[in-house]
Amino acid sequence: IAGITQAPTSQILAAGRRMTLRCTQDMRHNAMYWYRQDLGLGLRLIHYSNTAGTTGKGEVPDGYSVSRANTDDFPLTLASAVPSQTSVYFCASSASSALGEQFFGPGTRLTVL
Amino acid sequence: GESVGLHLPTLSVQEGDNSIINCAYSNSASDYFIWYKQESGKGPQFIIDIRSNMDKRQGQRVTVLLNKTVKHLSLQIAATQPGDSAVYFCAEKKSNFGNEKLTFGTGTRLTIIP
Repeated sequence: IAGITQAPTSQILAAGRRMTLRCTQDMRHNAMYWYRQDLGLGLRLIHYSNTAGTTGKGEVPDGYSVSRANTDDFPLTLASAVPSQTSVYFCASSASSALGEQFFGPGTRLTVL
Repeated sequence: GESVGLHLPTLSVQEGDNSIINCAYSNSASDYFIWYKQESGKGPQFIIDIRSNMDKRQGQRVTVLLNKTVKHLSLQIAATQPGDSAVYFCAEKKSNFGNEKLTFGTGTRLTIIP
């Protein structure tokens, strides 16, 4: 593994189903983030984690939950997917929340029908 | 509320020419700015950053200019190449004692014409 990986690459999901998007980084970064990207709206922060064991809400947290059991993994869960959650999801990490540069994963394209 | 925006959603430039992508920000308390490049089907990739105590920073073929008076940020790409075709995002951050978050603009699509 080099950098950040996300899985799956893409997914089509029926509304009401539960879905977990996976994110793993091997850079030993403390901070991790989940964004959604929608056309015309740019990247919007869903949830973040400044360090293992802590999480926080971003700009658009409703309908999503996260956990940070260890440094490397930061899964994003949609408990009951809705069509408005159709989007491209990006995971990112940075050495610390106080530092600027965030490294992004390749993204997960999620379609909720 | 605070916002980060771009003047133009699309920009076409002849290969070999220089390009300038602009970004306006409204949060005067922001002290750190980043430019990202996103190619089709990929995640954003860091290009260059600048802190608010600077007004210019140069990288390889790229220069970022910061005008705090008018809250304006620009990315200059010299001698553009086909590989420069992408969407470019500016992002801003305000120091918040360990709780800093990036706010992204909506992006400008740069197309290099061969």
